[in-house]
Amino acid sequence: RKEVEQDPGPFNVPEGATVAFNCTYSNSASQSFFWYRQDCRKEPKLLMSVYSSGNEDGRFTAQLNRASQYISLLIRDSKLSDSATYLCVVNQKNYGQNFVFGPGTRLSVLP
Amino acid sequence: NAGVTQTPKFQVLKTGQSMTLQCAQDMNHNSMYWYRQDPGMGLRLIYYSASEGTTDKGEVPNGYNVSRLNKREFSLRLESAAPSQTSVYFCANTTGTAKNIQYFGAGTRLSVL
Repeated sequence: RKEVEQDPGPFNVPEGATVAFNCTYSNSASQSFFWYRQDCRKEPKLLMSVYSSGNEDGRFTAQLNRASQYISLLIRDSKLSDSATYLCVVNQKNYGQNFVFGPGTRLSVLP
Repeated sequence: NAGVTQTPKFQVLKTGQSMTLQCAQDMNHNSMYWYRQDPGMGLRLIYYSASEGTTDKGEVPNGYNVSRLNKREFSLRLESAAPSQTSVYFCANTTGTAKNIQYFGAGTRLSVL
């Protein structure tokens, strides 16, 4: 079993749609959780950290369920510019030498 | 303020050739990383360095060596390139705080023929 698994995708959605991505991780000792965004042929960039209480940043909402070892990302009112690959990232140590990346889920927002 | 800078951006090698990928940061972060990214597999850690002068193996270290001679630079060397090392290579650093945000360079696209 992979350490971090994500929806295989791709997701093709119309502008304005709401889309949700799921991620599961296998190591219960994981400490920190993140969603990164990667545009085609570019480097990954932090989208948002994920906190136990859940957190929101504009149209983006992240949730963490430690008991189920599950992370989610919700994008509301999708824009064309949201088209990218979304990477779920888990850090197994607080002062992080062990970031584990999921394979990513590709999103295409269509006009 | 460039953040994390990688050179070269593109490289084509023949099997058996050697080369060094360079990475430099101007963020004064202690930890630096080298990853490779292959289709469908996500980023995989090759080596990391928690501080100047220290390095540790990651998930896929075979065929690579690294050097962290100072805080700013972390280089990755392929001594004898193989076609299996065709990939996109990313260097990254991290804040080292509890937030552990990683900042990535723009990547090096390497093809080994």
